[in-house]
Amino acid sequence: DTGVSQDPRHKITKRGQNVTFRCDPISEHNRLYWYRQTLGQGPEFLTYFQNEAQLEKSRLLSDRFSAERPKGSFSTLEIQRTEQGDSAMYLCASSLASPYEQYFGPGTRLTVT
Amino acid sequence: KNQVEQSPQSLIILEGKNCTLQCNYTVSPFSNLRWYKQDTGRGPVSLTIMTFSENTKSNGRYTATLDADTKQSSLHITASQLSDSASYICVVSPNNAGNMLTFGGGTRLMVKP
Repeated sequence: DTGVSQDPRHKITKRGQNVTFRCDPISEHNRLYWYRQTLGQGPEFLTYFQNEAQLEKSRLLSDRFSAERPKGSFSTLEIQRTEQGDSAMYLCASSLASPYEQYFGPGTRLTVT
Repeated sequence: KNQVEQSPQSLIILEGKNCTLQCNYTVSPFSNLRWYKQDTGRGPVSLTIMTFSENTKSNGRYTATLDADTKQSSLHITASQLSDSASYICVVSPNNAGNMLTFGGGTRLMVKP
């Protein structure tokens, strides 16, 4: 067990609905990352936080996606007006600033019908 | 565009046999290369991490090599076990911040009894 937890583990939603995922990082880690992984592919970077500050966002993170880390601890990733193309595994990882080894959570599997 | 290419895409071997997975990258600049193991439906787990000055690193039955001149890495698995069945992902970082990881598509390994 890496210590990073994600909730829910699976989510099935209808197209057009909003969904929110939660990530709880390892407690002393100040960096938190979100990735998206489609079947048979490696993870793709979405965004990352250092403490509560969102420092970088990928171009993959369209305006329907928003991520927050309000108190520098847990983070949420919200997808508005879901589309079938949003179906993927959403992975969260956390790390210290240094060393920066990332520890991944189990992921949230999203299926948009 | 920074890329990480892995081969083969999939591999089936018999329990007890050895195998070698390949990773070629074009990421530049280059800071470090990691190999992750990802079980189906789970988040990736780090196996090894190497900086440009390291040629080889071992973690139990896993040995990673790195040739920064040719931009190639390999992961050698010795005396495979059924539990080695997973995807193995090569990840390259251009910096020490850990926020710009480029993931390969992975090699799906199946170990059969």
